[in-house]
Amino acid sequence: NAGVTQTPKFRILKIGQSMTLQCAQDMNHNYMYWYRQDPGMGLKLIYYSVGAGITDKGEVPNGYNVSRSTTEDFPLRLELAAPSQTSVYFCASRAGQVGNQPQHFGDGTRLSIL
Amino acid sequence: DAKTTQPPSMDCAEGRAANLPCNHSTISGNEYVYWYRQIHSQGPQYIIHGLKNNETNEMASLIITEDRKSSTLILPHATLRDTAVYYCIVRVSAAGNKLTFGGGTRVLVKP
Repeated sequence: NAGVTQTPKFRILKIGQSMTLQCAQDMNHNYMYWYRQDPGMGLKLIYYSVGAGITDKGEVPNGYNVSRSTTEDFPLRLELAAPSQTSVYFCASRAGQVGNQPQHFGDGTRLSIL
Repeated sequence: DAKTTQPPSMDCAEGRAANLPCNHSTISGNEYVYWYRQIHSQGPQYIIHGLKNNETNEMASLIITEDRKSSTLILPHATLRDTAVYYCIVRVSAAGNKLTFGGGTRVLVKP
């Protein structure tokens, strides 16, 4: 049972480069989320989606873009990488049928921008 | 979302019960209490959640006071693998269900 799968696990980027962080879930969950976690800090919400074709901003969306063309996938795009985006990125999903269902997280992508 | 207050750290002896407190004095009637933990370098792991009643699953028990202003997560027999940061989160059941992670409690289970 895969759950939430994030790729890549590690990546080093140069300033100004772009990349896409991949997130896929096999639980048929409607809701998906992207968080970032800076060293020693809690998680901050970047973007979330309540279903295919619907996305919305979280607390810290600047510098990122998302799309949700299928239920399974929710990629996060960095267009012009900046050192401030060095962080660990977590994707999560949850079922939408009942409002109090918990979120389930992937193992993260560790991104360094030099 | 209601703000939560947790002690920054606590130690626990292996094999003993670990009782993790959380204050959420401004909780409103439709807000749930969720507990997650994060083991070093891994993604947050869901543990348990509840609204009013005490809850138990294979990982832990959740005790919510009658006035719902505080709760306690109980790990019945702590193991070294339970060493982690534990987060108490209060969240309304609604569309989006965004979670706000605070500082959490860093739990160290000692042999």
